[in-house]
Amino acid sequence: EVQVLESGGGLVQPGGSLRLSCAASGLTFRGYAVTWVRQTSEKGLEWVSTISDGGGKTYYADSVKGRFTLSRDDAQNTIYLQMNSLRAEDTALYYCARAYCSITTCYNFILDPWGQGTSVTVSS
Amino acid sequence: IVMTQSPATLSASPGERATLSCRASQSVSDKLAWYQQKPGQGPRLLIYSVSTRATSIPDRFSGSGSGTDFTLTISSLQSDDFAIYYCQQYYDWPRGTFGQGTTLEMK
Repeated sequence: EVQVLESGGGLVQPGGSLRLSCAASGLTFRGYAVTWVRQTSEKGLEWVSTISDGGGKTYYADSVKGRFTLSRDDAQNTIYLQMNSLRAEDTALYYCARAYCSITTCYNFILDPWGQGTSVTVSS
Repeated sequence: IVMTQSPATLSASPGERATLSCRASQSVSDKLAWYQQKPGQGPRLLIYSVSTRATSIPDRFSGSGSGTDFTLTISSLQSDDFAIYYCQQYYDWPRGTFGQGTTLEMK
């Protein structure tokens, strides 16, 4: 079965850190860009960060730039989102998604498949 | 780029046709995708490049539009189609933005 599985979420105090992991089963991340998107009831779906297929390029939303770091370990088929200096507004369900590829083309910011998400709560 | 979806909620019955709208605050050319989300799941890609169905998506789902105005049509609703639908622009990649969603509920 093809699965993307996020983990590492939890409750953390403001200013704290978490590392989210995104593992793939039945599919590979090697050669594909991977993106994190977060979801809240207030803001809906919000793009957070994308890492290129080789890992040489990373992109961040302005709201997380300088605080979050995205990396990948293709040998482990896993993507990591290191989140530092967490704020209450980072509270969300965090999804990981791979770039979608048709038969002929890959699209870095068309996302599929997605995982089921991991919940992050930043609160004292 | 702000994406605005309408209506917020659409009530329909199985077998009916459903039309969902998405408007961009500026042109996104053909860089528009639609996703479906069910409770407890991540979104699933339905349509990209305005009108191209993703792998394994049934042909009752179709997309149309250009520039700033887009439509997702479900020709004959099945019980499995009742979910939340999001549009997404990727013209401004990587700063892609999503609409706030349309909830398709069973009447």
